[in-house]
Amino acid sequence: KAGVTQTPRYLIKTRGQQVTLSCSPISGHRSVSWYQQTPGQGLQFLFEYFSETQRNKGNFPGRFSGRQFSNSRSEMNVSTLELGDSALYLCASSSANKQFFGPGTRLTVL
Amino acid sequence: DQQVKQNSPSLSVQEGRISILNCDYTNSMFDYFLWYKKYPAEGPTFLISISSIKDKNEDGRFTVFLNKSAKHLSLHIVPSQPGDSAVYFCAASTQKTSYDKVIFGPGTSLSVIP
Repeated sequence: KAGVTQTPRYLIKTRGQQVTLSCSPISGHRSVSWYQQTPGQGLQFLFEYFSETQRNKGNFPGRFSGRQFSNSRSEMNVSTLELGDSALYLCASSSANKQFFGPGTRLTVL
Repeated sequence: DQQVKQNSPSLSVQEGRISILNCDYTNSMFDYFLWYKKYPAEGPTFLISISSIKDKNEDGRFTVFLNKSAKHLSLHIVPSQPGDSAVYFCAASTQKTSYDKVIFGPGTSLSVIP
């Protein structure tokens, strides 16, 4: 089975722009979670989608949003980018209480 | 305030010796603990977990110890191998099945020197 894939792997944006990140889960997995990882911080939970519905949401501003499609692929959008949004964004798909992480998208905001 | 702390950002160990990675937590409601391993350019992978009803869980070369009274857990790797060089994240949860309840530590970078 192919693992979790994330595109793009690297992205450079400027302040004020918006960005969309994509995640394709492992085939058959219906749950997709998103995390932000910054240096010195652990993974911070953004949100979880299950069957196209947001099931849980972390403590992030409304500039961070997401969605899930009928094929379980998920996208995350960040609007009005700030310098502090520079981070590694990880997506994980899960089944039977086991999470499998993708390699992440490294976002740099200049 | 970080609820899960890994006070050593990095650790170097000789191949064949024991690696001990430490993790402290502040929330006494945490009842499920996990360790993840992350190589550069890859996502974290689940390594081992422990429930608060246990004080030790072993899986091959990896053993996790939990000291609830001290709110401390540790991951022991014996013997350490160069392929173990990675960042290790400790994580804690109040609900085993709810990902939004999992709190991650900042990670410890382990280098195993051949």
